[in-house]
Amino acid sequence: AQSVTQPDIHITVSEGASLELRCNYSYGATPYLFWYVQSPGQGLQLLLKYFSGDTLVQGIKGFEAEFKRSQSSFNLRKPSVHWSDAAEYFCAAVNNDMRFGAGTRLTVKP
Amino acid sequence: DSGVTQTPKHLITATGQRVTLRCSPRSGDLSVYWYQQSLDQGLQFLIQYYNGEERAKGNILERFSAQQFPDLHSELNLSSLELGDSALYFCASSVGTGDNEQFFGPGTRLTVL
Repeated sequence: AQSVTQPDIHITVSEGASLELRCNYSYGATPYLFWYVQSPGQGLQLLLKYFSGDTLVQGIKGFEAEFKRSQSSFNLRKPSVHWSDAAEYFCAAVNNDMRFGAGTRLTVKP
Repeated sequence: DSGVTQTPKHLITATGQRVTLRCSPRSGDLSVYWYQQSLDQGLQFLIQYYNGEERAKGNILERFSAQQFPDLHSELNLSSLELGDSALYFCASSVGTGDNEQFFGPGTRLTVL
């Protein structure tokens, strides 16, 4: 069955530290891949997307993600986290419909 | 601001009742998607409409229905409400269908008492 997995439910990092959020997908063919961020009480905002081509994708707010076909992964990274990055992050994949991972809640320590 | 609007922002109702959630897509977008976000189920795709026609169906209960009108706004109807229907309901829109980027509205928080 098609699915998206985010293994980490909750991650805490210190402000200024680097961040990596994991995402794995299980699809017959490579789907289109997205990362969204949701701040408390807000809707979802697209950070970045991968359709094809360069496997390192740059997004907004200093985020990037790397697509690795061999690992069926699309991990999100940021070199230096800011307190305002605290939010819930969702990985999503589209084949016929959009499926979301369970989300990873990011806490940023001062 | 994504350009997608949803009304109402909050809705409190009782079990057994029926409610209608409304969504206006971004100008120019033909597709509208509905999602349910709850603590136990996460973010789940319910249904998609494209230019007035149902395009894809996800985990939508038979008690729920939706439609997209000629002006492209959409309504999600939830009937015979149960406590477990309490959730955030998001609408998203995109230009086309399938791989197009989706823009999400702020959501409607439904509380069933």
